[in-house]
Amino acid sequence: ETGVTQSPTHLIKTRGQQVTLRCSSQSGHNTVSWYQQALGQGPQFIFQYYREEENGRGNFPPRFSGLQFPNYSSELNVNALELDDSALYLCASSQENSGNTIYFGEGSWLTVV
Amino acid sequence: SQQGEEDPQALSIQEGENATMNCSYKTSINNLQWYRQNSGRGLVHLILIRSNEREKHSGRLRVTLDTSKKSSSLLITASRAADTASYFCATDSIYNQGGKLIFGQGTELSVKP
Repeated sequence: ETGVTQSPTHLIKTRGQQVTLRCSSQSGHNTVSWYQQALGQGPQFIFQYYREEENGRGNFPPRFSGLQFPNYSSELNVNALELDDSALYLCASSQENSGNTIYFGEGSWLTVV
Repeated sequence: SQQGEEDPQALSIQEGENATMNCSYKTSINNLQWYRQNSGRGLVHLILIRSNEREKHSGRLRVTLDTSKKSSSLLITASRAADTASYFCATDSIYNQGGKLIFGQGTELSVKP
């Protein structure tokens, strides 16, 4: 049990739709990162939020966007869904933005049809 | 892009045997973390080793880090069927903004009872 909770656990969307995934970070953690993991691959970094500001972004298009709230919970939004967006989306939290153990949630499985 | 590469990609052993997984990476790092992932689930943090450390232990786990060779190994001693999972190394590069972790593709470990 990492204390990082994500919702929903599974969802199915149609190509072109929009999706919002949610994450509550571990108590005391002010940094949240999001990762995409395609089947059979390692997780790929999407972006990180530190104290409500984006603090680093991976190689993902602008239709992937996020928010961090004052309580440090976070949302990942994906617009104009494509079939290749089907993946496990993992949220991770840590204390401060670098150098510390990073804890992951159970993920949200997104299927785009 | 993936910085880390795990070796082997798949490993099958008998219960009670030791399992060794290796990870190589490309750029200088702040730290390296090992994670376990059961099928379709989130990542479970196993151990973090910092760039100035050479070896760390946690229960049946032993991790080594050789920064001159840019490599790390994870040893699981006296393996159990419950150790069956995918194992990932993840590096926090000194060149990363925002504490981003870069994952390899993982080693799939199967422990037969």
